[in-house]
Amino acid sequence: AQSVTQPDIHITVSEGASLELRCNYSYGATPYLFWYVQSPGQGLQLLLKYFSGDTLVQGIKGFEAEFKRSQSSFNLRKPSVHWSDAAEYFCAVGGTYNTGTASKLTFGTGTRLQVTL
Amino acid sequence: DTGVSQDPRHKITKRGQNVTFRCDPISEHNRLYWYRQTLGQGPEFLTYFQNEAQLEKSRLLSDRFSAERPKGSFSTLEIQRTEQGDSAMYLCASSYRGSGIGNYGYTFGSGTRLTVV
Repeated sequence: AQSVTQPDIHITVSEGASLELRCNYSYGATPYLFWYVQSPGQGLQLLLKYFSGDTLVQGIKGFEAEFKRSQSSFNLRKPSVHWSDAAEYFCAVGGTYNTGTASKLTFGTGTRLQVTL
Repeated sequence: DTGVSQDPRHKITKRGQNVTFRCDPISEHNRLYWYRQTLGQGPEFLTYFQNEAQLEKSRLLSDRFSAERPKGSFSTLEIQRTEQGDSAMYLCASSYRGSGIGNYGYTFGSGTRLTVV
């Protein structure tokens, strides 16, 4: 069964500092990988996704993520965090390139990001 | 394109009552998904449709839960005889699955928050 681990429940960074949120997955093949952000009481907004090709993926709001097959990881990074980035971040895995579809997504438990001024 | 719409945004109901939620996907999307998210957790997959066909149901979807997508457009999720454990955010998502490789635009709505008292 597929699974996602986000080892950091809560991270605090200073505004302007760099950020890396960790995500490790367990899956039988190369999966589709996603990062979503959720503000309190809101739905999920897609930051970026990886299906195939270049392992460094650029997303919205200045975020990027790198797929590392050898480490089964898909860590999210941002060079300079803004106070508005404070939110909950979820990594998700679903489907595989070989099956040609991402149906149900399996999410990690999330990382809450706090930004100090 | 107004994105994925969910109605209502909030629902408070007494234990034992039935509730129904509605989801309107992005118009050109043929797949529609339901997820449940409890406090402090990532979303958990419940079920999904391709057009009007319900292709997969999670074991989380007890017999008190039923989902429909009668015309392949909007979907409803009904919970009968609600229990306090049903209190959660119910999220809907939609995507397009075409004839080629890939599944595009996996987009979530803002969710319906259910509180069972």
